Amino acid sequence: GAVVSQHPSRVICKSGTSVKIECRSLDFQATTMFWYRQFPKQSLMLMATSNEGSKATYEQGVEKDKFLINHASLTLSTLTVASAHPEDSSFYICSAAGRGTEAFFGQGTRLTVV
Amino acid sequence: AQTVTQSQPEMSVQEAETVTLSCTYDTSENNYYLFWYKQPPSRQMILVIRQEAYKQQNATENRFSVNFQKAAKSFSLKISDSQLGDTAMYFCAFMRQGAQKLVFGQGTRLTINP
Repeated sequence: GAVVSQHPSRVICKSGTSVKIECRSLDFQATTMFWYRQFPKQSLMLMATSNEGSKATYEQGVEKDKFLINHASLTLSTLTVASAHPEDSSFYICSAAGRGTEAFFGQGTRLTVV
Repeated sequence: AQTVTQSQPEMSVQEAETVTLSCTYDTSENNYYLFWYKQPPSRQMILVIRQEAYKQQNATENRFSVNFQKAAKSFSLKISDSQLGDTAMYFCAFMRQGAQKLVFGQGTRLTINP
C-alpha cells in the first residue's frame, strides 16, 4: 500500500503554546486528507476533511479556530493545535487518499499538553 | 447518515483458535465499501481486509475472511488459526462509494492468549 508519514510521533508542549503536526504522502498525490482524534480505548473521531488548495471541512463540534488545517500541496497537510490546553491531549491520526482510491493512515501523533 | 456498530467491546481466545468479530451497519446507499482495520499497540492503523458491496463473494486474505450479508447489513470478520500477533483493536469501517470518508465502529479489543 501507499505510504503516509506523520510527524512528530510524540510531542509534549506547555499549555498555551501551539503545536503543528505534519502529514505527508510519500509515494502518491493526496487529493484528500483526513484528520482524526482518538481518545484512549475509543474509536477514531473524524475532525476534518481537507482537499488540496481549498479550505478544510470540519465536523460538527470541532473548533476550526483551535484546530487549523492547511493542505497547500498534494503531498502535505498540517494540523496546528492553537493555544493548546491539557484537554487537547490526545492521539491524532491523519489519513491521505488519492483520486478515487482508499485512504492510507499515518503513524499517529501523541500530543501531551502540560 | 451511516452508522457502524461493533457490539463486542472485548474478546479473548487461545492461540490457534478461530474467532469471529461482529459488525453491523446502517445505510441507505447501495454502492459502498466495508473494511476491517487492525490497530496494534503501536497504534498504526493497518488495513486487514476490504469488501465491495457489489460483490457477492466474501473477501479473504490468508487467515482473514469476512461474512458479508448485504441484506442484513452485517459484516463479520473471521480470524482462523489465531496468532499472538493478532492481538489488537479491530475496527469495522464503512465508506460510501466516491466519498473516501470512513465511518468507524467503536472497536473490539481482541486478545490472543498463549
